[in-house]
Amino acid sequence: DAGITQSPRHKVTETGTPVTLRCHQTENHRYMYWYRQDPGHGLRLIHYSYGVKDTDKGEVSDGYSVSRSKTEDFLLTLESATSSQTSVYFCAISESILNEQFFGPGTRLTVL
Amino acid sequence: DQQVKQNSPSLSVQEGRISILNCDYTNSMFDYFLWYKKYPAEGPTFLISISSIKDKNEDGRFTVFLNKSAKHLSLHIVPSQPGDSAVYFCAAGGASGTYKYIFGTGTRLKVLA
Repeated sequence: DAGITQSPRHKVTETGTPVTLRCHQTENHRYMYWYRQDPGHGLRLIHYSYGVKDTDKGEVSDGYSVSRSKTEDFLLTLESATSSQTSVYFCAISESILNEQFFGPGTRLTVL
Repeated sequence: DQQVKQNSPSLSVQEGRISILNCDYTNSMFDYFLWYKKYPAEGPTFLISISSIKDKNEDGRFTVFLNKSAKHLSLHIVPSQPGDSAVYFCAAGGASGTYKYIFGTGTRLKVLA
């Protein structure tokens, strides 16, 4: 299994609070991704990174920001959490463009 | 507008028989396709891929077929086993000069013993 960890694995927070999710990889892969999974929507890309400090938006980026200061870490921040951001969040990594992506175990976030 | 569709939310198959999971896409510029399996409370696991220059790719019990003219791909699992019971996602990528994958909504496969 690819070395990907996500923290925390579970979080409950209140509307309006900031939340940061962390993805850590030990594979030295260039590309990192954040997805959310919701019933009826499958996996939707939030943001992705193609190198240190290089990031771009996915299809559902509103309300989210990311940062990547080191190859191994990719942070997803909800500046002011809303109930619509209750979801399961997955981080993924890939070695190069169009290669298969390897997913982390997920973070279940509940915004009350 | 969903660019990648898995129109069957669920599928039940007897153990030992063939499972066929389908995926349709709308953008003819997609040129690389992936299939993932996902168990509850785990991240998706990569199964098999296919590029648009091929129409078939096999890996053990798993075969993916691509019909570019119909913008359709399918995953065949033969023989199906109870451990194959999971949600299966297809993903398409390579369109518009970017390499972001678009995922389908998933099909829940149940293999009956």
